[in-house]
Amino acid sequence: QQPVQSPQAVILREGEDAVINCSSSKALYSVHWYRQKHGEAPVFLMILLKGGEQKGHEKISASFNEKKQQSSLYLTASQLSYSGTYFCGTETVDRDDKIIFGKGTRLHILP
Amino acid sequence: GAVVSQHPSRVICKSGTSVKIECRSLDFQATTMFWYRQFPKKSLMLMATSNEGSKATYEQGVEKDKFLINHASLTLSTLTVTSAHPEDSSFYICSAPKKRHNEQFFGPGTRLTVL
Repeated sequence: QQPVQSPQAVILREGEDAVINCSSSKALYSVHWYRQKHGEAPVFLMILLKGGEQKGHEKISASFNEKKQQSSLYLTASQLSYSGTYFCGTETVDRDDKIIFGKGTRLHILP
Repeated sequence: GAVVSQHPSRVICKSGTSVKIECRSLDFQATTMFWYRQFPKKSLMLMATSNEGSKATYEQGVEKDKFLINHASLTLSTLTVTSAHPEDSSFYICSAPKKRHNEQFFGPGTRLTVL
């Protein structure tokens, strides 16, 4: 049931782009994206509720392909502050309100 | 955004003692809250769903007698780690959804160290 995230880790130089993927074996109601800094709680980035939905948050955006049960997070012109671990969380169409998180993608931005 | 608090933020205890962690939604009511556990450099593992006015539902493999959950009011859930052992040392995080879109707001977490 745990969604699969890829890649596991990314190292970028400041200004480069990255894509983080999240896929599920189950039909999804929603996909949530969070970023966690070391020693801190996860911080909400965005939620995608409908297939085909795309959302943006400054230079961070995401898409949700309902049919493929996949979501991707796009980080463009990355900044040092983007470093951290990114988790996708999925809620299935069962609507039991539970969100199951992937294993995370560690992103490290070099100056 | 909504605010969820946790107390304490850090606790160190001796093996065999019980530790209570509180999770509060400060500016909204939450009939459901979730408790997660996170080991270093690992994902958030859902432990249980805390339901206001009824029993918590536990994920497979989580001992309900070990991790007691009480959802006393619409803004407070507590997790008690009973007879703690060193392997219970972890980062415990609660979250509460704002119902409309199920956006989860996380508490700041509680780092438990059992000696």
